Amino acid sequence: NAGVTQTPKFQVLKTGQSMTLQCAQDMNHEYMSWYRQDPGMGLRLIHYSVGAGITDQGEVPNGYNVSRSTTEDFPLRLLSAAPSQTSVYFCASRRGGLTDTQYFGPGTRLTVL
Amino acid sequence: KQEVTQIPAALSVPEGENLVLNCSFTDSAIYNLQWFRQDPGKGLTSLLLIQSSQREQTSGRLNASLDKSSGRSTLYIAASQPGDSATYLCAPRYGGATNKLIFGTGTLLAVQP
Repeated sequence: NAGVTQTPKFQVLKTGQSMTLQCAQDMNHEYMSWYRQDPGMGLRLIHYSVGAGITDQGEVPNGYNVSRSTTEDFPLRLLSAAPSQTSVYFCASRRGGLTDTQYFGPGTRLTVL
Repeated sequence: KQEVTQIPAALSVPEGENLVLNCSFTDSAIYNLQWFRQDPGKGLTSLLLIQSSQREQTSGRLNASLDKSSGRSTLYIAASQPGDSATYLCAPRYGGATNKLIFGTGTLLAVQP
């Protein structure tokens, strides 16, 4: 299994540009999530999905959209990039239930100028 | 508000020492708690998952303990090695609509050869 994969690894955007961060998992996990990691603030939940066709907002959803058309893929869209969205973005997945392990992708480092 | 604190923020020890990393959480109504390792520029790797009904969980040189009622967990690393150098994050899982992990800001560990 490849686990959780993310592309791209690095991205530089200008303010106002849009882009999509890709995330895929091959473990047939129902639950997928997007986090951002900023210095001194820990990881914060942006959006999550409990299955194909079902998404919901996390702690910091403003400026981001998600969709879940398949079990495997969970892309994160930045609608109009802002410097405040400069961060490292992690996708994660887990099988489901209250007791299972969460698996993380390698991250995307995004810089917005 | 559900918050997680990790102490110390940074730790430097000589190779071979045993060490303890501390994690405290404000809301004790957790389902489980995960300890993760993060290497620089990388994603998170799950080390141990301890259920709310458990007191301890062990994997190799790692031992995690949980005192749910007092809102504390510790990660004990025996006979530390330079390869243990990384940031260690704890994350309790809560129920409710998001069933989400809450992350601390981590402890940066450096093991000197």
